[in-house]
Amino acid sequence: SAVISQKPSRDICQRGTSLTIQCQVDSQVTMMFWYRQQPGQSLTLIATANQGSEATYESGFVIDKFPISRPNLTFSTLTVSNMSPEDSSIYLCSVAPTGGIPINYGYTFGSGTRLTVV
Amino acid sequence: DQQVKQNSPSLSVQEGRISILNCDYTNSMFDYFLWYKKYPAEGPTFLISISSIKDKNEDGRFTVFLNKSAKHLSLHIVPSQPGDSAVYFCAAVTGTASKLTFGTGTRLQVTL
Repeated sequence: SAVISQKPSRDICQRGTSLTIQCQVDSQVTMMFWYRQQPGQSLTLIATANQGSEATYESGFVIDKFPISRPNLTFSTLTVSNMSPEDSSIYLCSVAPTGGIPINYGYTFGSGTRLTVV
Repeated sequence: DQQVKQNSPSLSVQEGRISILNCDYTNSMFDYFLWYKKYPAEGPTFLISISSIKDKNEDGRFTVFLNKSAKHLSLHIVPSQPGDSAVYFCAAVTGTASKLTFGTGTRLQVTL
């Protein structure tokens, strides 16, 4: 299964600023997924990032707030823009298993970015 | 619309006993179901999955059971160990390489 390097692991940011989170995968993958886990909550998909096309955002998430870049098949960034305390969450990137069938290997996740907005 | 639900937010089990974590879903189009374990400050770790055409999958101490008619799945951990203490999420996916839909999580505590 793929190995994902995600950074930063944590950050404390001032409201109104932006933070860019990076995920580097050790193999080429078609789609990368970005999730958010708010305190005490489940993981919620923000968007799906395809290389060479615009990211697809889930209901409730917009590109102006969470712009995503996917310059190649091994790298993606998520920016949290104009942050407010409500954006304090863990942000995670993920990739599907090779071949897409999650039997022997599940989707792989990065280690997460714990964001606190003050 | 919560398509995947875990109705027990927490579970406490003695070491050596069986842990049973439950998950219900509403979308009959899900093709695969997955279980993840998550420690604080780490990303979710894949445990085991099952295809919707199966009713059981086993891997070491972990067994997942699927009851399609009831739209219910469960994860059995036998025997439970203190290192199993974590939050467990069930997740489901339609098709291949599509997005995962997660349940709300169950915090398992394995006591000595």
